[in-house]
Amino acid sequence: ELKVEQNPLFLSMQEGKNYTIYCNYSTTSDRLYWYRQDPGKSLESLFVLLSNGAVKQEGRLMASLDTKARLSTLHITAAVHDLSATYFCAVPPMDSNYQLIWGAGTKLIIKP
Amino acid sequence: DVKVTQSSRYLVKRTGEKVFLECVQDMDHENMFWYRQDPGLGLRLIYFSYDVKMKEKGDIPEGYSVSREKKERFSLILESASTNQTSMYLCASSLSGIWQYFGPGTRLTVL
Repeated sequence: ELKVEQNPLFLSMQEGKNYTIYCNYSTTSDRLYWYRQDPGKSLESLFVLLSNGAVKQEGRLMASLDTKARLSTLHITAAVHDLSATYFCAVPPMDSNYQLIWGAGTKLIIKP
Repeated sequence: DVKVTQSSRYLVKRTGEKVFLECVQDMDHENMFWYRQDPGLGLRLIYFSYDVKMKEKGDIPEGYSVSREKKERFSLILESASTNQTSMYLCASSLSGIWQYFGPGTRLTVL
């Protein structure tokens, strides 16, 4: 059974600092998704990583995937307050075209 | 742009009431999903549907049922609401193997 773990679950940091959120998954999968959720809002898509070594970047966020280690990272560079949100990773089981298995989310608070 | 809409943003119901949550998507997506989101638990799948009139149980289907009579509409039904069903309910839709697009969510409180 596929399990997805994120850490940390909560992160408070200062503006201008760098940090990394980790997403581990327990069985083979061929892609991984990152989503963002602002407080009281729904989820919006950030990145999909489709192969080993894939890297995607948008602004101060960069995501990467290591399928051999079953690990994805979401790196935040020079954090700004607007990036405060909860970040989720999600992984599809190999035997499903429909489902995503979700991590518990990382709540990120960036203090000015 | 894909649009997924949910019938209510906030809903307050009493224990034992029958509750209907409606979700509509406008992009002809085959797959639709209902999740509930609780603090610290992430998203948990209640039911999903991969075609009209087709449905599959997710991880926590107990106390819920669904209906998909038309491709664009997926309804979640709480037959007899209970206080432990107080939660945020999120609907999503997707084409196979691609992004799930989420609605704005319905925050349901059961008193």
